[in-house]
Amino acid sequence: QKEVEQNSGPLSVPEGAIASLNCTYSDRGSQSFFWYRQYSGKSPELIMFIYSNGDKEDGRFTAQLNKASQYVSLLIRDSQPSDSATYLCAVKGGNNAGNMLTFGGGTRLMVKP
Amino acid sequence: DGGITQSPKYLFRKEGQNVTLSCEQNLNHDAMYWYRQDPGQGLRLIYYSQIVNDFQKGDIAEGYSVSREKKESFPLTVTSAQKNPTAFYLCASSIDRTSLDEQYFGPGTRLTVT
Repeated sequence: QKEVEQNSGPLSVPEGAIASLNCTYSDRGSQSFFWYRQYSGKSPELIMFIYSNGDKEDGRFTAQLNKASQYVSLLIRDSQPSDSATYLCAVKGGNNAGNMLTFGGGTRLMVKP
Repeated sequence: DGGITQSPKYLFRKEGQNVTLSCEQNLNHDAMYWYRQDPGQGLRLIYYSQIVNDFQKGDIAEGYSVSREKKESFPLTVTSAQKNPTAFYLCASSIDRTSLDEQYFGPGTRLTVT
């Protein structure tokens, strides 16, 4: 059983729409949650992190965390073609492997002009 | 400029040869990590180090070795015992392993073994 699950996609949205990326995790003791963006052939780039239940907004990005449901999401408003990339969810803390970061497989997002 | 550097960007080797990937950081971070990424997949942890002269195996350490003689440097050796070495290798660092702080990644090394 995978510890961090993401739909591999591709998720296709038109330019200007809201893209919604979802991630579920199995370790109930997890404490911090990260979203990384990875362009093809490049290394992951941190775009958001969230520790507490609720929403956290940063520009066009909103991270949402629901620890009771073990669910974290990333919303991208006014999606642009430059947002086309793979988005990796990562979970840290809790009982898994001594507080290490565990990554999901990523969701590929395609924003069409 | 603070950051993490990895070299080389592309590396080609013949099967049976050991190869060492470089990772250097000037962020004054205590913790450093090595991950492997295969096409269309997430990152898997190979080794990590919390402090100089100490390192721990991650989920897929077999066929790899590391050293941490300096705080700034955490080289990874891919040995001939690694059965499927062709992959994208990513080095990362964080302030320390026990904090909840985020990890920052270097640009990666793409290794091809034929």
